[in-house]
Amino acid sequence: GEDVEQSLFLSVREGDSSVINCTYTDSSSTYLYWYKQEPGAGLQLLTYIFSNMDMKQDQRLTVLLNKKDKHLSLRIADTQTGDSAIYFCAERFTGGGNKLTFGTGTQLKVEL
Amino acid sequence: KAGVTQTPRYLIKTRGQQVTLSCSPISGHRSVSWYQQTPGQGLQFLFEYFSETQRNKGNFPGRFSGRQFSNSRSEMNVSTLELGDSALYLCASSPQDRLMRDTQYFGPGTRLTVL
Repeated sequence: GEDVEQSLFLSVREGDSSVINCTYTDSSSTYLYWYKQEPGAGLQLLTYIFSNMDMKQDQRLTVLLNKKDKHLSLRIADTQTGDSAIYFCAERFTGGGNKLTFGTGTQLKVEL
Repeated sequence: KAGVTQTPRYLIKTRGQQVTLSCSPISGHRSVSWYQQTPGQGLQFLFEYFSETQRNKGNFPGRFSGRQFSNSRSEMNVSTLELGDSALYLCASSPQDRLMRDTQYFGPGTRLTVL
């Protein structure tokens, strides 16, 4: 089935690390994505990971994938106020074409 | 390269009317997908077009339709608008090449309000 879950809210202090978590249920997912949405804007692709990878690092972003537990996380190092936004994880599963199934989104608030 | 563009950015319609939204993909991208975003249902897939053919369809009523032109530009149409159709409609394009095969890049969206 298709079900992607995320916690709704995360608050961190500027300079700390943020970890946003996501669980998914479809074991045939091939690609997993992280998108960022700022108020009034569309979705900005942050990073993605193939299902045969465990980790991917891209500057301040680290994605960890635990296939056994169907758990995906996004770590943002040295979180800045400009990182305040809603973060969505999304999966694209085998046989689903280009259809993305999104999580509910996590509102990240960065406080000074 | 220019990003995905969507027109109009904002639209107000009344119940029963119909509406057409337009999406221009990133140059060279051949696949266009549409999503609806609402506070209650979140982000939901509407449909995907590739080479002027609908390749994938979400769970929406037949009032929602779309098409793709030979230059990959796409339109979606909603007929007999209902209050619940008020949403942000997002378009995404993907290159369909070997390196970044299906990664989708989103436009800014069209905010539709149905009164």
